[in-house]
Amino acid sequence: DVKVTQSSRYLVKRTGEKVFLECVQDMDHENMFWYRQDPGLGLRLIYFSYDVKMKEKGDIPEGYSVSREKKERFSLILESASTNQTSMYLCASTGNTIYFGEGSWLTVV
Amino acid sequence: RKEVEQDPGPFNVPEGATVAFNCTYSNSASQSFFWYRQDCRKEPKLLMSVYSSGNEDGRFTAQLNRASQYISLLIRDSKLSDSATYLCVVIERSGSARQLTFGSGTQLTVLP
Repeated sequence: DVKVTQSSRYLVKRTGEKVFLECVQDMDHENMFWYRQDPGLGLRLIYFSYDVKMKEKGDIPEGYSVSREKKERFSLILESASTNQTSMYLCASTGNTIYFGEGSWLTVV
Repeated sequence: RKEVEQDPGPFNVPEGATVAFNCTYSNSASQSFFWYRQDCRKEPKLLMSVYSSGNEDGRFTAQLNRASQYISLLIRDSKLSDSATYLCVVIERSGSARQLTFGSGTQLTVLP
């Protein structure tokens, strides 16, 4: 069974903290994506990567960075968390279709 | 400019009703099309792939119209368990890279 795993499901962080969200896929996919989803705003693309060490900005990259050192792992980094980054974060990878992780619920206080 | 337009609803229908959703897309080079279902506070999950020839799975039928650049989803005999948000997705390929464009989602509530 194919899998996209987001290891941190529920986090509470303080303003200014550095936050790492990890995503691992076991399907040898080249393309991986990070989205955030907020009520009434749909899925918004933060960053994506189409190969190891490659990254491209999405629609809302400000305040975020990413790391893709290995093909199976795509990390989202909040360098200094702010309250407006409270959201659900979804990781996805694509082969013939799109596979999502279960989501990471981040609250910044 | 949004590249995939989807009616956000909400659609409130009685059990047993037939309901249809549409999405229009702007890039004629788009290559793959899907419908995803998302339950509250859950990740989206694949419902159906969409082909020009149509795709039927039980009560669900998906259709692609390339000439008019829209995709549709038809749900017959709605069940309470069909209540969810339905997302259309368009994928464009460029070599090994994939560009995903999601609709904003249509919320469906099936009422008893």
